[in-house]
Amino acid sequence: QKEVEQDPGPLSVPEGAIVSLNCTYSNSAFQYFMWYRQYSRKGPELLMYTYSSGNKEDGRFTAQVDKSSKYISLFIRDSQPSDSATYLCAMSTLLHDYKLSFGAGTTVTVRA
Amino acid sequence: GAGVSQTPSNKVTEKGKYVELRCDPISGHTALYWYRQSLGQGPEFLIYFQGTGAADDSGLPNDRFFAVRPEGSVSTLKIQRTERGDSAVYLCASSLNPGGSPSYEQYFGPGTRLTVT
Repeated sequence: QKEVEQDPGPLSVPEGAIVSLNCTYSNSAFQYFMWYRQYSRKGPELLMYTYSSGNKEDGRFTAQVDKSSKYISLFIRDSQPSDSATYLCAMSTLLHDYKLSFGAGTTVTVRA
Repeated sequence: GAGVSQTPSNKVTEKGKYVELRCDPISGHTALYWYRQSLGQGPEFLIYFQGTGAADDSGLPNDRFFAVRPEGSVSTLKIQRTERGDSAVYLCASSLNPGGSPSYEQYFGPGTRLTVT
């Protein structure tokens, strides 16, 4: 079983919808939680970064971490066609905070 | 400013050959990372450099893989006796500082797509 599990989708939503993405993990040592966005043939780019549990909001994006359930989520409000991409969750431990463990990624298409 | 650059963007090689993949990090970034992304998967950690030294090479799959960063800037990932299973996108990332602060953000390059035939 992988350390980080992510539903690969694909997910197709109409423009303006709320996109909900999530990951589960098994390593209770994970303390840093990130969401990356990856466009086709590009490298991942950091969207959201959260330390430990709680919520974080940045514009249309909200990240949630529930360490008791080992579950993290990313919500995209008022989705736009430009949000069409693969979204990867990533996490790391305090001891090896540089070593990111990624989920497989969820491919999202926002239909105009 | 310039981001992380990787060359070549695509590399096709025959099974058993030797390949070198190059990464130019963002200027001033002391930390450099290599990841491998297989089709339909997330990136998988290979190695982390702090300056010129490999601080953690625990992700290298076997001794056919080796990476260097001799002057603390450009890094080269070297793969000997390539196998078809090595086919993947090899991503390089750099960060200003390693660690858990916001300056830890890893900036990724576009990757080198390696195909072993």
